[in-house]
Amino acid sequence: GQQLNQSPQSMFIQEGEDVSMNCTSSSIFNTWLWYKQDPGEGPVLLIALYKAGELTSNGRLTAQFGITRKDSFLNISASIPSDVGIYFCAAPLLGGATNKLIFGTGTLLAVQP
Amino acid sequence: KAGVTQTPRYLIKTRGQQVTLSCSPISGHRSVSWYQQTPGQGLQFLFEYFSETQRNKGNFPGRFSGRQFSNSRSEMNVSTLELGDSALYLCASSGPGGLDSDEQFFGPGTRLTVL
Repeated sequence: GQQLNQSPQSMFIQEGEDVSMNCTSSSIFNTWLWYKQDPGEGPVLLIALYKAGELTSNGRLTAQFGITRKDSFLNISASIPSDVGIYFCAAPLLGGATNKLIFGTGTLLAVQP
Repeated sequence: KAGVTQTPRYLIKTRGQQVTLSCSPISGHRSVSWYQQTPGQGLQFLFEYFSETQRNKGNFPGRFSGRQFSNSRSEMNVSTLELGDSALYLCASSGPGGLDSDEQFFGPGTRLTVL
């Protein structure tokens, strides 16, 4: 079935460093979403991508929709302590009138001041 | 605009009991989806409701059920609770249609602990 492989699983970085993470699948998707989740809270939508090759920014965050439609990338520039959390990629299941999201396994980001 | 609200935030139950969780979507959103999040399985789709109808269901046993009311508020019910049902249950709502219908906005979740 459709699944999303997210890497790396975890990252431990110094404040000010840039961060990159990615999500790949053997299936194609029409939309890629990136969420951040803080402990004990629900995921918060960071960026939505709708077109292959699209590059979208939200402050220090930049995400790209892979040209093959099978992958997506998220970059965080100049990390700060509040960037700590788990980042998930997600994509809606293709076909049918449904809002079922498939989620990646998450990337745990730790930022040392 | 108020976000997605879920009640209660925390719940402790014992095996065999049943539980009902509630979700109020963002005003104007008609689709409500439910997800279960556990350390071992990650985020897994339970079901989705749109205009009071279940549109899709994930691979969960029949003990998990839900419904949606005419005001788009949704409830999910888990009967005969098992230890493995301990999880964070998340509700997400999405917009009226078009591209924005793919953007799901999550509530803070209900942390269910089954003893």
